[in-house]
Amino acid sequence: SAVISQKPSRDICQRGTSLTIQCQVDSQVTMMFWYRQQPGQSLTLIATANQGSEATYESGFVIDKFPISRPNLTFSTLTVSNMSPEDSSIYLCSVGLAGNEQFFGPGTRLTVL
Amino acid sequence: TQLLEQSPQFLSIQEGENLTVYCNSSSVFSSLQWYRQEPGEGPVLLVTVVTGGEVKKLKRLTFQFGDARKDSSLHITAAQTGDTGLYLCAGAWSGGSNYKLTFGKGTLLTVNP
Repeated sequence: SAVISQKPSRDICQRGTSLTIQCQVDSQVTMMFWYRQQPGQSLTLIATANQGSEATYESGFVIDKFPISRPNLTFSTLTVSNMSPEDSSIYLCSVGLAGNEQFFGPGTRLTVL
Repeated sequence: TQLLEQSPQFLSIQEGENLTVYCNSSSVFSSLQWYRQEPGEGPVLLVTVVTGGEVKKLKRLTFQFGDARKDSSLHITAAQTGDTGLYLCAGAWSGGSNYKLTFGKGTLLTVNP
């Protein structure tokens, strides 16, 4: 398993601004993922972030809106750009280990006014 | 797009009752995971099943993988209030990326005292 922390845990932002979410892992991992989750609902994959390469985005998500950095094997950031109220959600990072298993951070609860 | 149908979506029961949650697809999984998520936290991995017909037990939780690896179930015996949470199944598809997961919509379980 892995221990994952996220910062900030929650934030309230004004529309039109940007927020960068940090994800820190206690061990080196190749695969990191970013998800979005509406409260009480399931997870939607935003992108896969592998160290040393560009992030791979899922359908409906673009780099200009959700730029991702992956500078090393223990850290990644997701930026939510030019926010609107529709971006209000929980954002989760996870790491992929053997056997397709993923371990999640505690999430960042974002509210956009 | 691969789909995972999870049912029921909501379940409210009394402490001591038994329950079963189902996860179904028309496609074959290479592996399937079950997660539980509590409010304000990220999903926590409960189990991974890989072999068709496999049954795994985790205290009062029993997980079964269908013979054809297209479906799975989670059975909880004598539910306790601590079992309350969002239960998510997630599948990795045979023939697909061997690291990306698709999540079901989740089952929100409430166990009343």
